[in-house]
Amino acid sequence: EAGVAQSPRYKIIEKRQSVAFWCNPISGHATLYWYQQILGQGPKLLIQFQNNGVVDDSQLPKDRFSAERLKGVDSTLKIQPAKLEDSAVYLCASSARQGRLVDTQYFGPGTRLTVL
Amino acid sequence: KQEVTQIPAALSVPEGENLVLNCSFTDSAIYNLQWFRQDPGKGLTSLLLIQSSQREQTSGRLNASLDKSSGRSTLYIAASQPGDSATYLCALNTDKLIFGTGTRLQVFP
Repeated sequence: EAGVAQSPRYKIIEKRQSVAFWCNPISGHATLYWYQQILGQGPKLLIQFQNNGVVDDSQLPKDRFSAERLKGVDSTLKIQPAKLEDSAVYLCASSARQGRLVDTQYFGPGTRLTVL
Repeated sequence: KQEVTQIPAALSVPEGENLVLNCSFTDSAIYNLQWFRQDPGKGLTSLLLIQSSQREQTSGRLNASLDKSSGRSTLYIAASQPGDSATYLCALNTDKLIFGTGTRLQVFP
């Protein structure tokens, strides 16, 4: 079974530029998550989708971050414009069942973003 | 607000030692607790999941315990190996996963 795929793996941009990350979850997984992990910290949830609807985006900085999950499969996370403090690893995860809090989340390898 | 603390932040031990990683949290209203492993440049791998009603879970050389009354969980690694070197994260599942800051473990031969 293929795991969660993310691209690109690394991205370097200058502040005020835009950037987009892509995630392909495990086939059949209904729930998709985007996390931000700043160096030395644990991951922080940015947004959670169930199929193509948003379940939780309370910690997403909506003035600059946006995310979508078209057709309930792939997802993209966009930052526009980027700030220095957005430098982090962006992790995508998916889980199998809808609304089941006990299900294990499977994580992709992440995209490391550096904002100069 | 739920806060999750992991101690120690870093640990370096010789191969073969038994070791304990600690995770403490402030709010016991959780659905479950998970321990993850993170290798450099890679995503997180789930190691153990303890349901709120359980006290411990075991997988191979790993044993995790949960004491909600004291707000603590421990991850016990028996007979550590160099391949265990990684960052270990605990995460509480309330209506979302809330992660600790992790313990960076190095096991040297």
